[in-house]
Amino acid sequence: ETGVTQTPRHLVMGMTNKKSLKCEQHLGHNAMYWYKQSAKKPLELMFVYNFKEQTENNSVPSRFSPECPNSSHLFLHLHTLQPEDSALYLCASSPTGSGGATGELFFGEGSRLTVL
Amino acid sequence: SQKIEQNSEALNIQEGKTATLTCNYTNYSPAYLQWYRQDPGRGPVFLLLIRENEKEKRKERLKVTFDTTLKQSLFHITASQPADSATYLCALSNNAGNMLTFGGGTRLMVKP
Repeated sequence: ETGVTQTPRHLVMGMTNKKSLKCEQHLGHNAMYWYKQSAKKPLELMFVYNFKEQTENNSVPSRFSPECPNSSHLFLHLHTLQPEDSALYLCASSPTGSGGATGELFFGEGSRLTVL
Repeated sequence: SQKIEQNSEALNIQEGKTATLTCNYTNYSPAYLQWYRQDPGRGPVFLLLIRENEKEKRKERLKVTFDTTLKQSLFHITASQPADSATYLCALSNNAGNMLTFGGGTRLMVKP
């Protein structure tokens, strides 16, 4: 148990569906992140939130829409996705907004997304 | 362009031996370098962080070296066990020290 909880763990959706991924951290951290992990590719940073404010958008397509209502919760809203968006989506948190560079990132177990 | 290279081929070793994994990078001047462990279908778990002015860091059976001249980090697991079998990721901070970029990882298989 890392203190970062992601739901759902598995999601299958069609290209016209709208769904959301949820992340909650119980560590009192101020920064939260979304990463994408595709098969045989490195982890790709998608979004960074620091004190609820988005500080990084790594050229992510608009069909992915993040939301951070408070420092403990992070959502990723999904709309009209493509099959190539199928991947493991990982949420992470860190005490400060240093991108996790100066200290460890705490990851959730991920949401495995399949787009049909 | 910036690159982080980890051997994409799996490393197979016998239980009890020392496993050595390599992380090479180009066009980076990282202030921090981290190693994570990832099991199949799970999120990465932090193992060690080493700073640019540190040559070596140890934690139990783990040892990390950081050579900024060679632009390389080595990750060692001594007295390896089958439970050490996993994918190991290295991650580097950017030059400003405010973002982390991951390598593709190396899968380690420790055979009994």
